[in-house]
Amino acid sequence: AQSVTQLDSQVPVFEEAPVELRCNYSSSVSVYLFWYVQYPNQGLQLLLKYLSGSTLVKGINGFEAEFNKSQTSFHLRKPSVHISDTAEYFCAVSGMRGSQGNLIFGKGTKLSVKP
Amino acid sequence: DTAVSQTPKYLVTQMGNDKSIKCEQNLGHDTMYWYKQDSKKFLKIMFSYNNKELIINETVPNRFSPKSPDKAHLNLHINSLELGDSAVYFCASSPPGWGGAKNIQYFGAGTRLSVL
Repeated sequence: AQSVTQLDSQVPVFEEAPVELRCNYSSSVSVYLFWYVQYPNQGLQLLLKYLSGSTLVKGINGFEAEFNKSQTSFHLRKPSVHISDTAEYFCAVSGMRGSQGNLIFGKGTKLSVKP
Repeated sequence: DTAVSQTPKYLVTQMGNDKSIKCEQNLGHDTMYWYKQDSKKFLKIMFSYNNKELIINETVPNRFSPKSPDKAHLNLHINSLELGDSAVYFCASSPPGWGGAKNIQYFGAGTRLSVL
């Protein structure tokens, strides 16, 4: 079974500052990793994913994340945030095979960008 | 053109009523899901269907019954609604095939259910 821990429930940051949202996972099998974003009163939108290959993955809206297998982490970063990045961010993990392929979500990190 | 669409967007009802939420996807996906998001934003999977067949049935009260008439639709019927059922319910779908792309899920906008 897999589990996901998002270490910060809320992250306030000023506009144009860099941000890192932390995510650690636990799994006995190899995994795929995802970040989803949920804007207020909307559904979840895929931000980026790690399936294989380069451990540094780039997503939409200038976000990127790095898969670190030894530290079982998949932290999300953006060098300069905008007001429009204010949203809830969810890290998710899935195993690679069969019923392990379902998404397990972390509890979310609320990013608040202030002017 | 919405890829995964849910209706209704808002649902306000009294305790004890029966209600349904509909979900349709036009992405050609073969797997569909229902999630419940509670007031603390925690997302938990409820059901998963692959080609109209139930794959996952998490510990959900049997008052919740999913129905998949075809691959593009997965509806959720809830009997005898309780206060604790108030939440946002999300439908999602994922594509056929193998490998990581299979695990990417596409979400609807959600249905906010309020039980009074």
